[in-house]
This record gives sequence, C-alpha cells and structure tokens, in this order.
Amino acid sequence: DAKTTQPPSMDCAEGRAANLPCNHSTISGNEYVYWYRQIHSQGPQYIIHGLKNNETNEMASLIITEDRKSSTLILPHATLRDTAVYYCIVNYYNAGNMLTFGGGTRLMVKP
Amino acid sequence: GAGVSQSPSNKVTEKGKDVELRCDPISGHTALYWYRQSLGQGLEFLIYFQGNSAPDKSGLPSDRFSAERTGGSVSTLTIQRTQQEDSAVYLCASSFLGNSPLHFGNGTRLTVT
Repeated sequence: DAKTTQPPSMDCAEGRAANLPCNHSTISGNEYVYWYRQIHSQGPQYIIHGLKNNETNEMASLIITEDRKSSTLILPHATLRDTAVYYCIVNYYNAGNMLTFGGGTRLMVKP
Repeated sequence: GAGVSQSPSNKVTEKGKDVELRCDPISGHTALYWYRQSLGQGLEFLIYFQGNSAPDKSGLPSDRFSAERTGGSVSTLTIQRTQQEDSAVYLCASSFLGNSPLHFGNGTRLTVT
C-alpha cells in the first residue's frame, strides 16, 4: 500500500506556480519524501527529495511541514512541458527498499 | 548515452512465446529495479538487484517471470509462455546505494497477441 495521499488531478495556468500537495501522516522519522514525475510514454523522472528541511533544485522546491506529515512540491513557473503525473513517495534511507508508487497527481498545465 | 537503456523499445509476441527484455543501467549504479506499468495504471514493483543478487523477488507475479543480472551491470527479464495479461510497459531503473534517487529507462512496451 502506498503511504501517501495525493489529489488525482490538478490544473495550472502556464507561467504560474504549480503547488502539488501530498499527505504522508504515517511517515517515520528516518523516511525521506521523494517526488518523481512521469511524462506520457516516458519512464518516471526524479525531481527532488528531502527529510526535514525544505529543498530546492533547478526543477522544483520541496516544502515539508514541521511535523513531516505533509509536503508540497512547487514548480515555480509551470510550462506546458510540465504536464505529467507527479508521484510523492516515502522511503527509508536504505538501498533495496523499492519505491511504492501510488496513483499520483495528474497535473495539466494549460495555456 | 548516460541514462538507463532498455531494449527493445517495443515487442509484439504471440501468446505462449517466451520473451527477453534487456536493461543497461547507468555505469557504476549497484542497484537495479524492474517495474511494470499496465495501461493507465501505476507502477508495479517486480524485482530488485543489489549487485548480481536479488534479495527481493516478492513482486514477480508468477513463476513464468524470472530475471538475472550479470557482472553487476546488464539485467534481463524473461517471461516464459507469455499471456495476454502480461501486456504492459516494463520499466527498469538503477541507483547508487543509500537514498539516491532512481533513474528510469523509457521502458519496453510488450504486447501479447
């Protein structure tokens, strides 16, 4: 069973920030939050991950609440190419624990 | 290329035939994973390799499915006596140890007729 809950779909206007929420209320202390996305007909693509602190890279920002029970992925200036299914996953810091992908959020960026 | 490479990209086979799917992971990645994705569905874990050994085979759906990895690099997923329900995209991913992210290939689309 996936340990995360995400809305099934969201829309965002091109050029605006896309804020994708994720609930992970049963996360344990040493589990990380990972975000991946899957563009149609491609394999999933890693975006970002974090443990406690907020993280930012060239693709996105990850905001994790203080109690770590939820997080938000932020795409600061969404483009049409950001249309994809976005997966939020929690996983231990330990190679070999396979990622369990839930249903994800289908983000549609509209002109 | 520097990414995970899978071949073939598309495979059409007749029911009852055996198929082999190949994955070339990123050089130096010690962990290798196989997933499959049926049309419109999420990703289903199949098997994981650490080096050449497979400590977790729990996701293989039946004994018709097997996988091996040689030299800590290339992996082959074999499906014997294919059935129509085996039709899916088979995805391979690799990673370093620890919490490093998975890098996925673009998959092999298998169609069993």
